[in-house]
Amino acid sequence: EVVMSQSPLSLPVTLGQSASISCRSSQSLVFSDGNTYLSWFQQRPGQSPRRLIYKVSKRDSGVPDRFSGSGSGTDFTLKISRVEAEDVGVYYCMQGIEWPLTFGGGTKVEIK
Amino acid sequence: EVQLVESGGGLVKPGGSLRLSCAASGFSFSSFSMNWVRQAPGKGLEWVSCISSESRYKYYADSVKGRFTVSRDNAKNSLYLQMNSLRVEDTAVYYCVRESSSSSVDYWGQGTLVAVS
Repeated sequence: EVVMSQSPLSLPVTLGQSASISCRSSQSLVFSDGNTYLSWFQQRPGQSPRRLIYKVSKRDSGVPDRFSGSGSGTDFTLKISRVEAEDVGVYYCMQGIEWPLTFGGGTKVEIK
Repeated sequence: EVQLVESGGGLVKPGGSLRLSCAASGFSFSSFSMNWVRQAPGKGLEWVSCISSESRYKYYADSVKGRFTVSRDNAKNSLYLQMNSLRVEDTAVYYCVRESSSSSVDYWGQGTLVAVS
């Protein structure tokens, strides 16, 4: 199975500053169709996960443009520009190129 | 508006069984593959199972293979997870999750808690 690794485990951020989360996969996430199937999810405290980004960098509807995804192959990054209080929560990356779908262990974003 | 509402969770003894249901609305249920994803208390996300739109394909995590069975009823816009031989380590919130067209999952239900003790 594809192993997803995230860092850091915890990320204290000052309001208004930027935050970056890294995600690495144990094998390339480029599918035979040329697409790269890497998604990012946000889980606020007490809530269900919500998808933010799919196919590395495509933002879901309603997701603020403060959230951006980048990367290729096996290395990916989620960046949150100008962090706001509502961004507190745990962020997960997920690969979709093969079964089983696998998630990273999560990165907890908190305000300093 | 897409809505996924899980039910059927509860407290069960090891070795027992439970059947989870997910009622879908706001989209053409029969056109989408559906998944179950679980989250143990204080832990991360673990994919459990997937069923294709017409039930032709079913996939399971190794941790539940042979014990859990996924099914759906497109006429009732409903997804199910039959869980047998439950173990303490199956304790988790179980989410019903829609598969999107981009080899990802998009909409999540609110989850239902299964406690095995």
